[in-house]
Amino acid sequence: DADVTQTPRNRITKTGKRIMLECSQTKGHDRMYWYRQDPGLGLRLIYYSFDVKDINKGEISDGYSVSRQAQAKFSLSLESAIPNQTALYFCATSDPEVYGYTFGSGTRLTVV
Amino acid sequence: DAKTTQPNSMESNEEEPVHLPCNHSTISGTDYIHWYRQLPSQGPEYVIHGLTSNVNNRMASLAIAEDRKSSTLILHRATLRDAAVYYCIGGEDASGTYKYIFGTGTRLKVLA
Repeated sequence: DADVTQTPRNRITKTGKRIMLECSQTKGHDRMYWYRQDPGLGLRLIYYSFDVKDINKGEISDGYSVSRQAQAKFSLSLESAIPNQTALYFCATSDPEVYGYTFGSGTRLTVV
Repeated sequence: DAKTTQPNSMESNEEEPVHLPCNHSTISGTDYIHWYRQLPSQGPEYVIHGLTSNVNNRMASLAIAEDRKSSTLILHRATLRDAAVYYCIGGEDASGTYKYIFGTGTRLKVLA
């Protein structure tokens, strides 16, 4: 099993629909992150969480919300999807004692 | 913010060394310099990190300028599998915590 698992891998949804992207990790790390990747723009931080009771906004949190259900689970929701939220979404986890992130394989989301 | 500047793309011949530059003139004295790479259709993966001294691991070497305003990732013998987007990241410290800000990276093309 992968250290960081994202579901679904691909999703097409309609404008205005609510959608949830899920992430789970088996690393036992407290810190988890959601990033968005658009062509030519690199990765941008949406939300991050340093423990179950800690949620923080990143660079581009508008239109998104998150839930940290457990140490291992961090989900990203789009309350009312819009076409410019079409992107590749990555979840990651890290340990403050080890300077390195482990990323999932990504969820490709298309909003039509 | 510890912003980084990298060339958009570079090319290398297979089996030859590759030097990927990064400028990070605004990095603070306590920020580590991290390198990640993203292979096609995958999430980013950790390559190497350092603070002041040059660093080596099984994947690459990291040469950090004495003034810490720039660094160079060195792949000693490029292989076709090294074709990827390479991200240089100056970690942003916020309230004693640590989170990455990715730029657009350098797309490395390896020629057979």
